[in-house]
Amino acid sequence: DAKTTQPTSMDCAEGRAANLPCNHSTISGNEYVYWYRQIHSQGPQYIIHGLKNNETNEMASLIITEDRKSSTLILPHATLRDTAVYYCIVRANAGKSTFGDGTTLTVKP
Amino acid sequence: NAGVTQTPKFQVLKTGQSMTLQCAQDMNHEYMSWYRQDPGMGLRLIHYSVGAGITDQGEVPNGYNVSRSTTEDFPLRLLSAAPSQTSVYFCASAQTGTSGSLYNEQFFGPGTRLTVL
Repeated sequence: DAKTTQPTSMDCAEGRAANLPCNHSTISGNEYVYWYRQIHSQGPQYIIHGLKNNETNEMASLIITEDRKSSTLILPHATLRDTAVYYCIVRANAGKSTFGDGTTLTVKP
Repeated sequence: NAGVTQTPKFQVLKTGQSMTLQCAQDMNHEYMSWYRQDPGMGLRLIHYSVGAGITDQGEVPNGYNVSRSTTEDFPLRLLSAAPSQTSVYFCASAQTGTSGSLYNEQFFGPGTRLTVL
């Protein structure tokens, strides 16, 4: 599975959009981009995933560049409850789904 | 549905002891996995299973055994506990994707917090 690179931490003002980048320059054609988040010490929670088209659901939007080497998770109106560690994962078959260290997002009032 | 359940929630072991962490899911998911998370770190894959009777190693399998005799259960056994195995252990499950090799979102359990003295 392709390796991902994420910033260690980011801040965002409450009510503003949070844009979390992920670099996956070695991604293969059959690999999807997944995003999860982990609030405090709970189990990770699925957010969204995509292959090459942009995706949107009730939680977030996922923007994948045309060359698929990077992506951005967008939380359109961040709240204090969105403070968490956000993980970007790239994988094809589910044999191995590895998590990196993620980005710690802190939403500030 | 209860989702993914893990027992116990907390456990303290002495070095050299063995124990089994239990994981069960009631969603009929074929894929199940175990991760460990050390303080301030991300999750590392220990073992995974793509169906009953099939298991494989992840990134950090040493010191752990798994088996998958049923779809619902995926226990993780610590053979001889060491302080380096102090961690939070998460179990997860996922449904097989329609394309066969692609899986959908993973559902995680609440974790087991293990301390080895």
